[in-house]
Amino acid sequence: QSALTQPASVSGSPGQSITISCTGTSSDVGGYNYVSWYQQHPGKAPKLMIYEVSNRPSGVPDRFSGSKSGNTASLTISGLQAEDEADYYCSSYTSSSTLGVVFGGGTKLTVL
Amino acid sequence: QLQLQESGPGLVKPSETLSLTCTVSGGSISSSSYYWGWIRQPPGKGLEWIGSIYYSGSTYYNPSLKSRVTISVDTSKNQFSLKLSSVTAADTAVYYCARLGRPAVTTIDYWGQGTLVTVSS
Repeated sequence: QSALTQPASVSGSPGQSITISCTGTSSDVGGYNYVSWYQQHPGKAPKLMIYEVSNRPSGVPDRFSGSKSGNTASLTISGLQAEDEADYYCSSYTSSSTLGVVFGGGTKLTVL
Repeated sequence: QLQLQESGPGLVKPSETLSLTCTVSGGSISSSSYYWGWIRQPPGKGLEWIGSIYYSGSTYYNPSLKSRVTISVDTSKNQFSLKLSSVTAADTAVYYCARLGRPAVTTIDYWGQGTLVTVSS
């Protein structure tokens, strides 16, 4: 199963909005509404930020939002804050294996 | 509060078998609402799903690792385990155990802190 495609890096200034894309195929992102996004700070475990395309777990600020169009999912962070600087990974269910999970390659977000 | 903790050797020799255990506390591994899984991250690289298990013992593996992976569960100890055979330097990574949602196995809401396993002679 191939990894989902994410940009290697994105950047933005405090208060701005950024969007990270996650491109897959009809066998994963495009075929199911099971896309999640994770935030990972250096040396830490990933943290769930968005699940099932656009749902936020309790405690995640509403500055984080998710969407999907066709084979591409997106994570938007509005009102950027310094603590948002981290690596972000998308994941999707994949039909290439039973109950399979595929991750994106990760995107480094830099807050300027 | 649910907690997951990985344990096992931090150094494994090439061609040997990597063995890790995840101990779950603050909740039951026998919950019908979740799968339990292993995910790894090579130094400086991205995340890779290794496999998942249900409390009944049903297992699901990444096809690229399937021939070398065994995941098992011990409900009496509230633990699940990973064995990866014939390891090489490419298997050096931080290994995370995690809780995966049903049916959306991509909803991974609890993670262990991760344990670095180095493959080296």
